[in-house]
Amino acid sequence: QTVVTQEPSFSVSPGGTVTLTCGLSSGSVSTSYFPSWYQQTPGQAPRTLIYNTNTRSSGVPDRFSGSILGNKAAHTITGAQTDDESDYYCVLYMVSGIWMFGGGTKLTVL
Amino acid sequence: QVQLVESGGGLVKPGGSLRLSCVASGFTFSDYFMTWIRQAPGKGLEWVSYISSGSSTINYADSVKGRFTVSRDNGKNSLYLEMNSLRAEDTATYYCARATRGLGLNWGQGTLVTVSS
Repeated sequence: QTVVTQEPSFSVSPGGTVTLTCGLSSGSVSTSYFPSWYQQTPGQAPRTLIYNTNTRSSGVPDRFSGSILGNKAAHTITGAQTDDESDYYCVLYMVSGIWMFGGGTKLTVL
Repeated sequence: QVQLVESGGGLVKPGGSLRLSCVASGFTFSDYFMTWIRQAPGKGLEWVSYISSGSSTINYADSVKGRFTVSRDNGKNSLYLEMNSLRAEDTATYYCARATRGLGLNWGQGTLVTVSS
């Protein structure tokens, strides 16, 4: 069974740049999976950051970006701020309406 | 803007049933596929079910297949999840989401389901 892989945790200094990745246990992530990225803080619903690989959702600052890097989807945060400290989820669209979620990356900013 | 409001969560005993509802506004509900996603306490997100705009295509995660039933009423802009034979492992916050592969997921605020004796 294919699994969507994400780094369990990542740390970045304030003002720094971090790239989170989203892969498949077998195969490569491409734009055909329409990768999207979501930010979630404790007790809150997920917030859409990026959809369709690299399109920012309305109101999302341009320091959040998405791309394909090699065989993975990637989400880059430049100029990290303390309130970026959250869980970040990658989601891939598979077939027939099935969406697969990565396990999430817990980002620490310190 | 897209608004989704879930309701119907609560405490239910193992083996019991519950029906979740999700009311949509801010978009033409009948044009979009919808999905249910859940998150167990302290855990990640899990896709649960999907229904196409006209209800012709429905899918379920293996973990809920045969126990959960998704439906929608386009006239009422509403999405439903009928949950039967509930287990402790079904305890989670359940989110409804508008699901479009090119636009990603638009989320409701979630409703908590607790299965416990």
